[in-house]
Amino acid sequence: QLQLQESGPGLVKPSETLSLTCTGSGGSISSTSYYWGWIRQPPGRGLEWIGSVYYSGTTFYNPSLKSRVAISVDTSKNQFSLQLKSVTAADTAVFYCARLPTTHQVWDLWGQGTMVTVSS
Amino acid sequence: QSALTQPASVSGSPGQSITISCTGTSSDVGSYNFVSWFQQHPGKAPKVIIYEGNKRPSGVSNRFSGSKSGNTASLTISGLQAEDEAEYHCCSYAGSGTWVFGGGTKLTVL
Repeated sequence: QLQLQESGPGLVKPSETLSLTCTGSGGSISSTSYYWGWIRQPPGRGLEWIGSVYYSGTTFYNPSLKSRVAISVDTSKNQFSLQLKSVTAADTAVFYCARLPTTHQVWDLWGQGTMVTVSS
Repeated sequence: QSALTQPASVSGSPGQSITISCTGTSSDVGSYNFVSWFQQHPGKAPKVIIYEGNKRPSGVSNRFSGSKSGNTASLTISGLQAEDEAEYHCCSYAGSGTWVFGGGTKLTVL
């Protein structure tokens, strides 16, 4: 049974780049049956889709974040990653990685989430 | 791409039914049957309870049901139980590989 786990710094300085990795265990990220994505949740607020990646490297981004976001996949490490540039306090959030099956349009499996605070 | 609109909070007594609305546009909710609903307890990751409008994953109670009319999707919870108290989020496919979520609704079981 696949599990997803986010990892990365819990504190990032303003104007720097936030980098997170999601590692899959018990299953393969290189499966052709899924897309992989990042979703965030600022404290006390709703969820926001950041972007998605397919095992081939094809990406889709939230238009409001597109200029600052890059998502990549490393099938050799069974990981996919998020980079968010030029962060501000408004980017403080819990970041989740998640799975989207190609056969069912739903984010059906989520990591536990990791809190990232942007502060000097 | 704007967030879907949900009421900030709803409440109900045990045994009652409640409905949470999720209003989008003709570019997302109105165009696709790909609305999902998530239940999130404090400090936990969201858990899908409804997908593709009205389908329930295995193990999810049939007290949860979904529907859609035009640009508005709805989640109904019947026979409210104390453990239903949580935050509920809607999500819709918005075309071109993009997704949009609602602002979340806090359900209080009185």
